[in-house]
Amino acid sequence: GQQLNQSPQSMFIQEGEDVSMNCTSSSIFNTWLWYKQDPGEGPVLLIALYKAGELTSNGRLTAQFGITRKDSFLNISASIPSDVGIYFCAGQRGSNYKLTFGKGTLLTVNP
Amino acid sequence: GAGVSQSPRYKVAKRGQDVALRCDPISGHVSLFWYQQALGQGPEFLTYFQNEAQLDKSGLPSDRFFAERPEGSVSTLKIQRTQQEDSAVYLCACLQRAGETQYFGPGTRLLVL
Repeated sequence: GQQLNQSPQSMFIQEGEDVSMNCTSSSIFNTWLWYKQDPGEGPVLLIALYKAGELTSNGRLTAQFGITRKDSFLNISASIPSDVGIYFCAGQRGSNYKLTFGKGTLLTVNP
Repeated sequence: GAGVSQSPRYKVAKRGQDVALRCDPISGHVSLFWYQQALGQGPEFLTYFQNEAQLDKSGLPSDRFFAERPEGSVSTLKIQRTQQEDSAVYLCACLQRAGETQYFGPGTRLLVL
């Protein structure tokens, strides 16, 4: 099935560094979402974006919904060890409908 | 409970065996989704229910996969004659109403030997 193009696949950073990851699609989405998944758990929503051009923050996380509605990025500032995990972007076409996910970015933070 | 629960959490099946995976959504959450997550991949949509109606089953990979939600709450995903390529994490998600967030359960890890 379709998956979004998410990059990078993995990142190894030092505690305190900023992180950026992005996601692109060949088709338009009405909603972009960013999830984090810890080992043995389901994805947990971090940020939801509903409008093209929207820039939204949640603590140290900032995400943007691209103007073309075909891309989104997520920034994490001042990373800490508990930021370790897999981050997924997801697009949604209708408000009550299925999510299309990227392949994920594995983040490792060295203390 | 407060969240989505799934059972069993782990399942080992022999090739050819039938399995049934259960999802208990958050009470009152109308919509329920099943996703399949292969190792190293993002979740992929399987099927979607609104109450007891299965509105989309376009993601089910073959007719060996069957899902039901007879009373509009608990859902079961059944896989008949399991194959090794069925090995994955099966995630259930639910949402209360349109425009709200999908909440995911912890998943069932299925290994087919």
